Amino acid sequence: GDSVTQMEGPVTLSEEAFLTINCTYTATGYPSLFWYVQYPGEGLQLLLKATKADDKGSNKGFEATYRKETTSFHLEKGSVQVSDSAVYFCALRENTGTASKLTFGTGTRLQVTL
Amino acid sequence: ETGVTQSPTHLIKTRGQQVTLRCSSQSGHNTVSWYQQALGQGPQFIFQYYREEENGRGNFPPRFSGLQFPNYSSELNVNALELDDSALYLCASSLLPGPGPHEAFFGQGTRLTVV
Repeated sequence: GDSVTQMEGPVTLSEEAFLTINCTYTATGYPSLFWYVQYPGEGLQLLLKATKADDKGSNKGFEATYRKETTSFHLEKGSVQVSDSAVYFCALRENTGTASKLTFGTGTRLQVTL
Repeated sequence: ETGVTQSPTHLIKTRGQQVTLRCSSQSGHNTVSWYQQALGQGPQFIFQYYREEENGRGNFPPRFSGLQFPNYSSELNVNALELDDSALYLCASSLLPGPGPHEAFFGQGTRLTVV
């Protein structure tokens, strides 16, 4: 079945440091890929997405590129802020008509300090 | 446009009891999915409702059941609660079918504690 593997956290960075959170996936088909963010006590917010190979999703300074050859979708940001502290989830969805099941990784907690 | 809303936000139940959680989907969306997020874990897919019918289910026992109403709102029912059912329950809505990634929009969740 489908699965998503994320690097374990927590990841602790100083403000303005470069961020990479690794994500790899296993899927039977050709999935869409997503990064969601969860702030303390809240639900999930879509951060960015990509639907086909070599697509680059971007939002709020975060980027991730859909790499089919390495089955990866690593999240990057050039300069993190304290406000980026949250849990980040990589997810995939097989595109099968009326099915919209998301398969998530276990999440990576990011802590940014001054 | 209104977002996804869930109620209640927090709930405490006793083992063996039954619980109903509610979700109002985002305006214009016809599909609702439910997820269980245990502490420190990623969300796990429970099931999905499309046009009032269940059309996908994860690895959850039959005591997890649901409904979708004509206005596309939804309920999640859990019978015979167990301690391991303690989790954050997330509802997500989307618009299907058709082209595109059909991104899911999540509610804030209901925190269920079983004691």
